[in-house]
Amino acid sequence: QVQLQESGPGLVKPSQTLSLTCTVSGGSISSASYFWSWIRQPAGKGLEWIGRVYTSGSPYYSPSLRSRVTISVDTSKNQFSLNLSSVTAADTAVYYCALATRQYGGNSGLFEYWGQGTLVTVSS
Amino acid sequence: EIVLTQSPGTLSLSPGERATLSCRASQSVSSSYLAWYQQKPGQAPRLLIYGASSRATGIPDRFGGSESGTDFTLTISGLEPEDFAVYYCQQYGSSPWTFGQGTKVEIK
Repeated sequence: QVQLQESGPGLVKPSQTLSLTCTVSGGSISSASYFWSWIRQPAGKGLEWIGRVYTSGSPYYSPSLRSRVTISVDTSKNQFSLNLSSVTAADTAVYYCALATRQYGGNSGLFEYWGQGTLVTVSS
Repeated sequence: EIVLTQSPGTLSLSPGERATLSCRASQSVSSSYLAWYQQKPGQAPRLLIYGASSRATGIPDRFGGSESGTDFTLTISGLEPEDFAVYYCQQYGSSPWTFGQGTKVEIK
């Protein structure tokens, strides 16, 4: 059973870069059929997909965040990371890492496994 | 980008009742790639339904999904106490993947 765990600062100052890491256990981040995503949820609101990465191809980002987002993989640590630059209060949210394994067919957008989420607050 | 509109915003029902949740897509969802998730307070979403009508592993058969064109429905045939939660639809047919705003099923 794959498990995901987010980690990183809970407080980030405006205009700075938000950096989070997702540590994977129970599975290999290098698996060709695994797609790793970041998703966020402002308090009391819905879910927003940020982007995804996999070891066999290029990352893909939501157009609304593309200019500020970088997602990368560290195979030596079995982790993947999110960097979101030039943050504002609008970026305050619970950030989830998620995994699509394609066990149900489909593509990289069906999220079967989720981390527990980590709250990031943007404030001075 | 496909916009998903869920209705109603809140559904107030009693245990044992039938819940019907709707999700309307702004355009056709490729290959019926529509999923439903359940989220309880303080928890991550959990995948319930994929491909519009197939249950994920371990999901009770009281949960069912259907589609008619760009309209999708999640039905819970008899609400159990643990079913009171927020439900989100999500399309994964066209990038960027998008979610609806959610329907809260609360105890009446």
